[in-house]
Amino acid sequence: AQSVSQHNHHVILSEAASLELGCNYSYGGTVNLFWYVQYPGQHLQLLLKYFSGDPLVKGIKGFEAEFIKSKFSFNLRKPSVQWSDTAEYFCAVIFSGGYNKLIFGAGTRLAVHP
Amino acid sequence: EAGVTQFPSHSVIEKGQTVTLRCDPISGHDNLYWYRRVMGKEIKFLLHFVKESKQDESGMPNNRFLAERTGGTYSTLKVQPAELEDSGVYFCASSRDRAEKLFFGSGTQLSVL
Repeated sequence: AQSVSQHNHHVILSEAASLELGCNYSYGGTVNLFWYVQYPGQHLQLLLKYFSGDPLVKGIKGFEAEFIKSKFSFNLRKPSVQWSDTAEYFCAVIFSGGYNKLIFGAGTRLAVHP
Repeated sequence: EAGVTQFPSHSVIEKGQTVTLRCDPISGHDNLYWYRRVMGKEIKFLLHFVKESKQDESGMPNNRFLAERTGGTYSTLKVQPAELEDSGVYFCASSRDRAEKLFFGSGTQLSVL
């Protein structure tokens, strides 16, 4: 079955620490990859996406993600987090043949302490 | 441009009652999706409308759930009768063409007691 796994459910960091959130997906075909973020009390917003080309994708607010096809992974990174990055982060995938719908992971709740 | 609007934002009902959730997509967006997140788990796909037609309803849990999209505009998701396991956050999203560019609503938090 097509699925998305996020390894960390809760992450706690201090400001200026580096962040890496893991995301792996099943299936070996063509995929479109996404990271969404939900800040407290707000709706889901797109952070970044990968369709093709350079596997290192830069998104908003200093986030980036790297697609590693051989590992079926799309990890999210940020070199130095801020308190305002406190949010829940969701990895999502559109699988080829997946009939035009996003499949989400379980999310990672990030808390950044000043 | 107005975003995707969902209401109510919260609903608390008793087991066995009926609840109707509403989603107003962004104007001009033919694609409308419903998703659900049960406590701490993944956001699960429920169904996808293209205009008023159900394109994919493979994620609907059972026949207690009924989704409609009148005239290809707003959509409703009715749960009848509600069960405890239906509690969660129900998200609606819309896009002009494909799922690659979805805009999400803020969700409806449903609590079934």
